Amino acid sequence: AQSVAQPEDQVNVAEGNPLTVKCTYSVSGNPYLFWYVQYPNRGLQFLLKYITGDNLVKGSYGFEAEFNKSQTSFHLKKPSALVSDSALYFCAVKDYGQNFVFGPGTRLSVLP
Amino acid sequence: EAQVTQNPRYLITVTGKKLTVTCSQNMNHEYMSWYRQDPGLGLRQIYYSMNVEVTDKGDVPEGYKVSRKEKRNFPLILESPSPNQTSLYFCASNDRQEHYNEQFFGPGTRLTVL
Repeated sequence: AQSVAQPEDQVNVAEGNPLTVKCTYSVSGNPYLFWYVQYPNRGLQFLLKYITGDNLVKGSYGFEAEFNKSQTSFHLKKPSALVSDSALYFCAVKDYGQNFVFGPGTRLSVLP
Repeated sequence: EAQVTQNPRYLITVTGKKLTVTCSQNMNHEYMSWYRQDPGLGLRQIYYSMNVEVTDKGDVPEGYKVSRKEKRNFPLILESPSPNQTSLYFCASNDRQEHYNEQFFGPGTRLTVL
């Protein structure tokens, strides 16, 4: 069965500093990996995905994620955090089927 | 504008009173899904549908029903709501043409069952 872990409930970072939100996964076969962001009182918005190819994936709003097959990780990163990046971030995994499995979410707080 | 819509956005009801949360998408997506979001648990899939008249259980289907009579609509039905179904509900859709396509989410429905 597929599973996703986000080991940190909360990540705090100062504005302008780099940020990392961690995600590890378990799936049989090749994984399709996704990051979504949820702002207060809003639905989830797609940020980026890894399908195949380059291990560094670039997405919306300056975010990127690094796929590491040996560590089964897909950490979300941004070189310079903004206060407006404060939100709830979800990692998700999908195998060849149609079911997405989401992690529990990590709340990112960017402090001015 | 491509979107997934849900109604109502907020609902307070009492135990046992049947309710329906509607979901509609205008992107001609084949695949639709319902999730519930609870603190610390992330999103858990309730039901999904791969096409019209094709539905299947997700991880937490107990107490819920769905139907898919038209491609664009995927209502979630609670025949006899209970307080443990108090949650934030999201509908999502994606194009099944490519199996790695991301899902598009509705704005959410916050349900409180007293």
